[in-house]
Amino acid sequence: ETGVTQTPRHLVMGMTNKKSLKCEQHLGHNAMYWYKQSAKKPLELMFVYNFKEQTENNSVPSRFSPECPNSSHLFLHLHTLQPEDSALYLCASSSIIAGGPGNEQFFGPGTRLTVL
Amino acid sequence: AQSVTQLGSHVSVSEGALVLLRCNYSSSVPPYLFWYVQYPNQGLQLLLKYTSAATLVKGINGFEAEFKKSETSFHLTKPSAHMSDAAEYFCAVSTGGYNKLIFGAGTRLAVHP
Repeated sequence: ETGVTQTPRHLVMGMTNKKSLKCEQHLGHNAMYWYKQSAKKPLELMFVYNFKEQTENNSVPSRFSPECPNSSHLFLHLHTLQPEDSALYLCASSSIIAGGPGNEQFFGPGTRLTVL
Repeated sequence: AQSVTQLGSHVSVSEGALVLLRCNYSSSVPPYLFWYVQYPNQGLQLLLKYTSAATLVKGINGFEAEFKKSETSFHLTKPSAHMSDAAEYFCAVSTGGYNKLIFGAGTRLAVHP
C-alpha cells in the first residue's frame, strides 16, 4: 500500500450503531487529520494529531471519538450518530517541520458515511 | 484569522479553452497557498503549492497559479482545458502550526466538448 488508505470506503449505519473508520498513512509523516466534507459546506477540519497527541478538536460532538495509537494509524469511532452526520470523511497526513507551515497534506480516498 | 474565498462555485468552459479559477485569501502573515483537485468519489490531490520561492508556480496536469500579494490572489489557470479536467478544485491557505489548512468552498469545473 502507498500513500494514505482509508477503510471502509462506504458505510451505512443506523443511529444506534457503533462503527469505526480507519486511516493508515505509509508516508512516514508525523501529523494526521480528520475532515468532514458535506454537500454545500466547505471542508471542515475535525481533529489534528501530531505524533499521537491530539492538538486540535474543532468543537466536534462527542459522538465522534478519535484515536491515534501511533503516527501511522488514525481511527474515528462513531456512536449514536445523526442523519446530518452523513458525509464523506477524509483522512490526511503531513510532515510537520519545526519552524512553521509549508508542507502539503496528503489525502486518503475518504469513507462515504450514510446514517439512517 | 485566515480565510479563502473562491469566486464562482461553478465554472463551465469548452474543451481547448482557457481555464481560470479564482482564489483570494486573507492572511496577516505571509501565507502558504495550495490548490487541490477532487475527482468524484475520491480524496483531494495536490495540484500545486506556493511557499514563497517563486510567484508563478507550475503544477501537475498543465496547471499553474500566480501569487499576487498586492491583490491577495492566487488564481489557477490552464491554457487549454481537457475533458479530464472536469472536477472540483479547492484553494487552501496555511499559516498556522501543524500544517493546518483553511479551505475555500470549492469550484466545480465542467468541460464541454
